[in-house]
Amino acid sequence: NAGVTQTPKFRVLKTGQSMTLLCAQDMNHEYMYWYRQDPGMGLRLIHYSVGEGTTAKGEVPDGYNVSRLKKQNFLLGLESAAPSQTSVYFCASSWAGVSFHNEQFFGPGTRLTVL
Amino acid sequence: GDSVTQMEGPVTLSEEAFLTINCTYTATGYPSLFWYVQYPGEGLQLLLKATKADDKGSNKGFEATYRKETTSFHLEKGSVQVSDSAVYFCALSFGNEKLTFGTGTRLTIIP
Repeated sequence: NAGVTQTPKFRVLKTGQSMTLLCAQDMNHEYMYWYRQDPGMGLRLIHYSVGEGTTAKGEVPDGYNVSRLKKQNFLLGLESAAPSQTSVYFCASSWAGVSFHNEQFFGPGTRLTVL
Repeated sequence: GDSVTQMEGPVTLSEEAFLTINCTYTATGYPSLFWYVQYPGEGLQLLLKATKADDKGSNKGFEATYRKETTSFHLEKGSVQVSDSAVYFCALSFGNEKLTFGTGTRLTIIP
């Protein structure tokens, strides 16, 4: 099993460009998440999904959109990139249900630089 | 709202030293508690967890005990190694879709 994979690993954008980050998981998890990690701020939740076809806003959703058309994939889009979106982006997934305590499995991250 | 407060780093220790990284939480109710570890250039990995009061989570020589009275979940290891150098995150969850993280503590072990 590959677990959680992210594409691409690195990307450099110019201000105003758009891009999509892809997250895939092969564990049949219901829940999927996108976080950003910035120095001294830990991980902040951007958007999440509790099942195929669903999405919800997290702590810092502005400037991002997401889609979950298939259960195994969760896409994060930046329509018009800004330098403030320079960050490391992590995708995660977990099983549904209180009994699983929301233990999350993380991908290796995507390092995005916006010039 | 729910929050997690971690000991500020960075923390630098010599090999074989004793490690404690403090973590306290604020929450209504009794969450599950986690320690995640992030090695350089990698994503986060679950290190250990505890799902109810007085539970002790343990893995790879690390331990943490869920203390309801002090709302704490301090991470400890008796003898650290250079390979333990990483960033450590404390987190809590109520089993719904949200996981609340602390800001992380960077640990460096020198030989």
